[in-house]
Amino acid sequence: DQQVKQNSPSLSVQEGRISILNCDYTNSMFDYFLWYKKYPAEGPTFLISISSIKDKNEDGRFTVFLNKSAKHLSLHIVPSQPGDSAVYFCAASAGGTYKYIFGTGTRLKVLA
Amino acid sequence: GAVVSQHPSRVICKSGTSVKIECRSLDFQATTMFWYRQFPKQSLMLMATSNEGSKATYEQGVEKDKFLINHASLTLSTLTVTSAHPEDSSFYICSALGELFSRITDTQYFGPGTRLTVL
Repeated sequence: DQQVKQNSPSLSVQEGRISILNCDYTNSMFDYFLWYKKYPAEGPTFLISISSIKDKNEDGRFTVFLNKSAKHLSLHIVPSQPGDSAVYFCAASAGGTYKYIFGTGTRLKVLA
Repeated sequence: GAVVSQHPSRVICKSGTSVKIECRSLDFQATTMFWYRQFPKQSLMLMATSNEGSKATYEQGVEKDKFLINHASLTLSTLTVTSAHPEDSSFYICSALGELFSRITDTQYFGPGTRLTVL
């Protein structure tokens, strides 16, 4: 039972345009969400997070939107850069624990 | 940001042997460390949570006698895959959570991972 889903395994975007990565979850107890970026043969690197009390969090080129009623979150990267090409994982946790449930990842390719 | 290292980065072993993977937090004390496994094109799956000085908590379906975890100090956790078999071949990643320069971290910081291949 996949509680965190990333239905798009891959995404290609032109440099300078917006990249939108989507994530859906099924567990209504999740109250903290994160996005990680992962390069091949490396561990994931934390990007941005959002608590369920917010619906938007912004950090530079990265913005995460949370729609609790739809159990959906998205990561917007604008403008996209070739260095953003990586696999992006969303993760969720519940009840203040640090036990993260990860999605399957979306491979983003930013074309120069 | 916090730095977490893993050693070795890649290991190949024969079936039936044991392999130890180390995870170290380099610039902070990790009160809690996590071990994940990732199969190709799949998500990171949490295997176990270890707290310094106590027994690890294993996720459902993870054999604790096969995947031995030791968190003997605030900067080191080890995962030993005992009697490894080809189906144990995977990418093993650790993460750490703890106190960073007197500020409690609220995210997990991941190591670079260890690629295990069992022949």
